[in-house]
Amino acid sequence: DTAVSQTPKYLVTQMGNDKSIKCEQNLGHDTMYWYKQDSKKFLKIMFSYNNKELIINETVPNRFSPKSPDKAHLNLHINSLELGDSAVYFCASSQARGGQNTGELFFGEGSRLTVL
Amino acid sequence: QKEVEQDPGPLSVPEGAIVSLNCTYSNSAFQYFMWYRQYSRKGPELLMYTYSSGNKEDGRFTAQVDKSSKYISLFIRDSQPSDSATYLCAMSGGAGGTSYGKLTFGQGTILTVHP
Repeated sequence: DTAVSQTPKYLVTQMGNDKSIKCEQNLGHDTMYWYKQDSKKFLKIMFSYNNKELIINETVPNRFSPKSPDKAHLNLHINSLELGDSAVYFCASSQARGGQNTGELFFGEGSRLTVL
Repeated sequence: QKEVEQDPGPLSVPEGAIVSLNCTYSNSAFQYFMWYRQYSRKGPELLMYTYSSGNKEDGRFTAQVDKSSKYISLFIRDSQPSDSATYLCAMSGGAGGTSYGKLTFGQGTILTVHP
């Protein structure tokens, strides 16, 4: 039973289109994240939600809109896709201990987005 | 200068070798130090986790943190072909516990262990 699952695993789309990626975790964690991994394997945080509240919003274009309907789900919608959006997007989750997230994250398998 | 620097390699070693992977960092606020392993076309998985300076051992893996030098290492003893993967160092921390799990990653080192 997959702990952090993302759909779809692969997306190929044209510039200007809108697409969504969905994520679900069954670990009972209270914090969920979106990370982006570029072609050089560099992983960078985009967003973090704690108990459905947006906590971290890095300098990401506002074409990217996350949404957390509940603690177990975090979606990412991308408008007006650009070539530079091509990357692997990872969802992750963690559980705060003593009010702090230490960085022990559980990652999904990634959603590979290719913009043509 | 990046906050976290990691030699991307690639690193190729024979089976049974001792592997040393390293990262340096510039942000003295980092308190939690991690090593993630990422197999091809998979998500990163947590391998080792250390708080502040010191050593931690888990089977064939040893993580070392030297906060005074802003330097962390991962040693793999008796390396196996199944250890072939990308190894990512990661760090987090901040005043007042407000980091909320934000990790800053190194670029990753590609390791191949050949039989």
